[in-house]
Amino acid sequence: DTEVTQTPKHLVMGMTNKKSLKCEQHMGHRAMYWYKQKAKKPPELMFVYSYEKLSINESVPSRFSPECPNSSLLNLHLHALQPEDSALYLCASSRDGLIYEQYFGPGTRLTVT
Amino acid sequence: AQTVTQSQPEMSVQEAETVTLSCTYDTSESDYYLFWYKQPPSRQMILVIRQEAYKQQNATENRFSVNFQKAAKSFSLKISDSQLGDAAMYFCAYRGNTGNQFYFGTGTSLTVIP
Repeated sequence: DTEVTQTPKHLVMGMTNKKSLKCEQHMGHRAMYWYKQKAKKPPELMFVYSYEKLSINESVPSRFSPECPNSSLLNLHLHALQPEDSALYLCASSRDGLIYEQYFGPGTRLTVT
Repeated sequence: AQTVTQSQPEMSVQEAETVTLSCTYDTSESDYYLFWYKQPPSRQMILVIRQEAYKQQNATENRFSVNFQKAAKSFSLKISDSQLGDAAMYFCAYRGNTGNQFYFGTGTSLTVIP
């Protein structure tokens, strides 16, 4: 099983809402990532979790709050977002500590109104 | 930080022909890994091919092959017998031998002309 799943597929939220994105993998990977991607642009790294601990935070605004409850699950909590936060949010996972490729989920298409 | 450069924002190829997408990178590391990812419109990003820097032999996956020139820090992707399903954004990516961070190029949008 080489699948990374993400829910929801689409999300529309107002600037005062609180919502969460969910990512799940069952490949035994211990590194998990959140990326933000605008149309026709490369993914921009937001956060990296390694063995359920936050190892990289790319100066992301505090209105994005990641959480890794266990080795298979990664959440991204959203609060008070801005319209410019509208994008495709990608989750990925890889084996940690070794040089392996990332496996990407299908993404959540977020629109902030 | 390492940088990855894809100098061709857009490319096109006739169906059944061959196309080469270019990628260069900058690093001071001697051991690292390189990847090509494909992202079709509104679809999932998937791995096309990977290359370990310590391997001299170029990686091949069916119709996809790379030309890895370590001294020149170049990593191009050749797609042979192009098919309509090859139309996508292609991203070159670099990962060093420590840490978990991947560095992506800006992407090349490939159009396949029937």
